[in-house]
Amino acid sequence: NAGVTQTPKFRVLKTGQSMTLLCAQDMNHEYMYWYRQDPGMGLRLIHYSVGEGTTAKGEVPDGYNVSRLKKQNFLLGLESAAPSQTSVYFCASSLKNTYEQYFGPGTRLTVT
Amino acid sequence: AQSVTQLDSQVPVFEEAPVELRCNYSSSVSVYLFWYVQYPNQGLQLLLKYLSGSTLVKGINGFEAEFNKSQTSFHLRKPSVHISDTAEYFCAVSKDSGGGADGLTFGKGTHLIIQP
Repeated sequence: NAGVTQTPKFRVLKTGQSMTLLCAQDMNHEYMYWYRQDPGMGLRLIHYSVGEGTTAKGEVPDGYNVSRLKKQNFLLGLESAAPSQTSVYFCASSLKNTYEQYFGPGTRLTVT
Repeated sequence: AQSVTQLDSQVPVFEEAPVELRCNYSSSVSVYLFWYVQYPNQGLQLLLKYLSGSTLVKGINGFEAEFNKSQTSFHLRKPSVHISDTAEYFCAVSKDSGGGADGLTFGKGTHLIIQP
């Protein structure tokens, strides 16, 4: 049981490049989330999903897109990366009605 | 909307001393409350949560927190800290409806530094 895994662990992008971050969970959780963590800012919700084929915007969605084609996977895409998107990205998942989120180890992204 | 304020960005404490990390929240609806811990270069791990029942909640690693509705606070305490408790601690809230679907609102974090 791997829990929540994230790929890749590190990435450096140039401004304007695109990339996709992959989150996978093997706990059969209905809900999945993407957060970003910046120094002194805590974690902020980017997008979330309550089930396969559904997504919704969080607090800071601009510049990101997401997809949940399979229940176990939640993808976060950056179409045209900007230096302001330099951050550590965390994926999390939870069972419906438990309110307890399980976090992945994070992806450290640098945009130059 | 909800907001969370962690009053101290950094708390230095000597080993084996008690510690309290403060958390206050603001919300127009009822909320559930959480404390998460983040060790260096790792993801977040749940320490404890308050959903209902007793306002004193016990968590892992000897931590506890008390929910005070009138003061809108959820302070985290440990009677005797260890070097291994050095980490970043985050307080978070969730609306108590919707099954947790729309995520958590986090505070900015408190860095607990244990001094030998």
